[in-house]
Amino acid sequence: KAGVTQTPRYLIKTRGQQVTLSCSPISGHRSVSWYQQTPGQGLQFLFEYFSETQRNKGNFPGRFSGRQFSNSRSEMNVSTLELGDSALYLCASSPFDRVTDTQYFGPGTRLTVL
Amino acid sequence: DAKTTQPNSMESNEEEPVHLPCNHSTISGTDYIHWYRQLPSQGPEYVIHGLTSNVNNRMASLAIAEDRKSSTLILHRATLRDAAVYYCIRISYNTDKLIFGTGTRLQVFP
Repeated sequence: KAGVTQTPRYLIKTRGQQVTLSCSPISGHRSVSWYQQTPGQGLQFLFEYFSETQRNKGNFPGRFSGRQFSNSRSEMNVSTLELGDSALYLCASSPFDRVTDTQYFGPGTRLTVL
Repeated sequence: DAKTTQPNSMESNEEEPVHLPCNHSTISGTDYIHWYRQLPSQGPEYVIHGLTSNVNNRMASLAIAEDRKSSTLILHRATLRDAAVYYCIRISYNTDKLIFGTGTRLQVFP
């Protein structure tokens, strides 16, 4: 099976712009989670989608949003970018849930905000 | 505030066992303990997970303390490919709340 893929791998944006990141989960996986990784804060959970519904959400402002399509592919959007949004954004998929299942991570999208 | 603490770094020689500790100060009975590792420029990779009893798989063993306030990831024979940052993660079965540890950077010397 193909692994989790994320596009683009690298992105440079300026403050105030918005960005959309894409994640294709492993075939058959219905749960997709998004994480932000920064040197200062480490790994932080953004949100989880299951069957096109947001199932869980971390403590991030409303500028961060996401969605999941019927084929389980997911996108996350960040509006009005700030310098502090520069980070590695990771997507992970699991068959059903991330509590009892294994999560499979993609390579991440590195976002730089100038 | 719930915390999951890990040592910043550890070192090992090749083919020696490695014990990576994780302390969970306010773990509840329904919190699963997961371990993932991250190699440079890659996303995290699953290692092992468990709830109450010790777990073994082809990669590692997970020892969970009886009070569940700590766990230890055991790599039985470290190899150079095991050099990575290891994260201990608590995930609540009831609330799905997830708490990341700070990660331990493991160096393996030949």
